[in-house]
Amino acid sequence: DIQMTQSPSSLSASVGDRVTITCRASQGIRNDLGWYQQKPGKAPKRLIYAASSLQSGVPSRFSGSGSGTEFTLTISSLQPEDFATYYCLQHNRSPYTFGQGTKLEIK
Amino acid sequence: QVQLVQSGAEVKKPGASVKVSCKASGYTFTSYDINWVRQATGQGLEWMGWMNPNSGNTAYAQKFQGRVTITRNTSISTSYMELSSLRSEDTAVYYCARVSGAYGPWGQGTLVTVSS
Repeated sequence: DIQMTQSPSSLSASVGDRVTITCRASQGIRNDLGWYQQKPGKAPKRLIYAASSLQSGVPSRFSGSGSGTEFTLTISSLQPEDFATYYCLQHNRSPYTFGQGTKLEIK
Repeated sequence: QVQLVQSGAEVKKPGASVKVSCKASGYTFTSYDINWVRQATGQGLEWMGWMNPNSGNTAYAQKFQGRVTITRNTSISTSYMELSSLRSEDTAVYYCARVSGAYGPWGQGTLVTVSS
């Protein structure tokens, strides 16, 4: 199985900060990776697909990069509504696997 | 618009089975895989399995092998996830989702509570 190691597991930041979250795959997954945002009591919402493509309707402060085994999600300038939990998901090979999640909290 | 709508909350006794539905709209149902994911309270997301609605082919996480079955009815653009031999640890919100392609909708989630 492909393991997805996501870091950090939690992060405190302020409005306006630049934030980066990383996922490392235990083997190459091309660009078959998505990034998701989840708020309490809500279904996850996809932000990025194919590692670097911005989902329609998602603000441009979100960006994704990487290919192969190392991937990053960057939020260029944190807004109050961005405080949530973020997950990566690899869908290159079954079983698909999620990262452990990153809880982004207000400093 | 592209969306997935799931059936309502369920309460089941240990040992029973539950079947959750996921109705797709706004796109050609047979063109994209459907995945099932669950999340226990306060925990992360856990992938359960996948189905190709065109062929009916499936793949399941090892953890759920033998207990989960994903099926579909293409005439009504609906996928189903059945989980058997329920135990208290199966209490969770269950989601259907598309994870590939330019649209990546998720269903709203179905709470399954397993309690005696």
